Amino acid sequence: EAQVTQNPRYLITVTGKKLTVTCSQNMNHEYMSWYRQDPGLGLRQIYYSMNVEVTDKGDVPEGYKVSRKEKRNFPLILESPSPNQTSLYFCASSPRWGGYISYEQYFGPGTRLTVT
Amino acid sequence: KQEVTQIPAALSVPEGENLVLNCSFTDSAIYNLQWFRQDPGKGLTSLLLIQSSQREQTSGRLNASLDKSSGRSTLYIAASQPGDSATYLCAVRTSGTYKYIFGTGTRLKVLA
Repeated sequence: EAQVTQNPRYLITVTGKKLTVTCSQNMNHEYMSWYRQDPGLGLRQIYYSMNVEVTDKGDVPEGYKVSRKEKRNFPLILESPSPNQTSLYFCASSPRWGGYISYEQYFGPGTRLTVT
Repeated sequence: KQEVTQIPAALSVPEGENLVLNCSFTDSAIYNLQWFRQDPGKGLTSLLLIQSSQREQTSGRLNASLDKSSGRSTLYIAASQPGDSATYLCAVRTSGTYKYIFGTGTRLKVLA
């Protein structure tokens, strides 16, 4: 089944304790992205990746890191989480982009992170 | 800076009604606009994607239109059903970028 998977689905942690949220897709998609969703603010893009070893900042990258060493995986790293990073996080992927043409984004089920 | 607005924030209608959801964006230079559905506690499901060169897209009871010059898109849902109850989100990809900007969504409730 074609899908985007995220792990863990739920995570409660303490301030400053490094964590990684994994994202994997089995559709051979080139584009992958991380979003956070907060009440009243909607979804905001954190980082995106156009292909292996190619990443760039979205609108809210502060406090986050990403890497794209393999096409299928795009982990989100919080080196020193803080309470303002408590949020619902989504990973998404999309097929190859050709210039101005882009394709549908497929979303994972979400990871609810609480930082105390 | 691109801003995306969805009005109303919430909508409640009786079953069977045809309804229109609105999405406005401030920068008309876009590559595409995508409509999503989000059920409570779930991820987003893509409904329709409209490229900048297109005026509308249809899928079943859903029809999305795009008017770039006025910075507007509408999602038309025909003969609404209780199963259509969800939050509907639109997102745009602005020209020259690989980023998506989302609206805050319209929460729809269809009453049986």
